[in-house]
Amino acid sequence: VQLVQSGAEVKKFGESLRISCKASGYSFTNYWIAWVRQMPGKGLEWMGIIWPSDSDIRYNPSFQDHVIFSADKSTSTAYLQWRSLRASDSAVYYCARLVVRGDLGVDVWGQGTTVTVS
Amino acid sequence: SYVLTQPPSVSVAPGQTATLSCGGSNIGRKSVHWYQQKAGQAPVVVVNGENDRPPGIPDRFFVSNSGNTATLTISRVDAGDEADYFCQVWDTTRHHVIFGGGTKLTVL
Repeated sequence: VQLVQSGAEVKKFGESLRISCKASGYSFTNYWIAWVRQMPGKGLEWMGIIWPSDSDIRYNPSFQDHVIFSADKSTSTAYLQWRSLRASDSAVYYCARLVVRGDLGVDVWGQGTTVTVS
Repeated sequence: SYVLTQPPSVSVAPGQTATLSCGGSNIGRKSVHWYQQKAGQAPVVVVNGENDRPPGIPDRFFVSNSGNTATLTISRVDAGDEADYFCQVWDTTRHHVIFGGGTKLTVL
C-alpha cells in the first residue's frame, strides 16, 4: 500500500494549483482519503476527507471555501486544488488513507507535498 | 467542537521512560491513534486505535486510555525516539478527524 504525492510547488499569490496523491496496492475506492496541512513548525491540521467511490466529501469548515477535493477512480488519484493561492497556504500537505481501527485513523501517509506561495 | 490537548514538550534522558499525554473529554470512550513525526519526514503510525503497533514499531511503545486522558508511554527511550508525537480521534458526530497539537519529545 502506497500513497505517492506530486512534487514541490512554488507559486505566486493568486495563482491556481492542483496537487495529487496516487494510490497503489489497494482498492482505491474502498477507503477514505484525508488531506492534512502542516504549516512550518506547526502541528497537523485536518482539512477534510473524500470517499473516492462517489466523491462524498467532508470538509473541515476552516478550509471549505478555499480548497477543492476530487478523485479520479480511473487513475486511483486524489487531488487537492486551490483556485487562488494565498501566502498562508505555504505549507506541507499530506494525503493519508483512513482505516477503521476502533474508529477511523490513518494507516498510510503520503510523503508530503511542499507548497510555497510568494 | 472536540479538542485534544497535548503538552508542547517532554524531555527525558536516554534509557528512561517518556509519558506523553493526550487530554480530551471522555477520551477513554474513544479510540485514539498515535503518530510519530521525525524532523523533515511524514508522520508514521506508532499505535493505532485498537492499541496495536504496526510492524517495525517496538513493544517499548504502549498506550493506555481512561477517563479524560490517553497516554503513550515509551520505555527505554533512545535518541531515535526523538520526534513530534500526535494523538488523533475520529469525531463520530461531525465526521471529522481531530488531531492534538503534538508533543515534541526531546532525548537529553
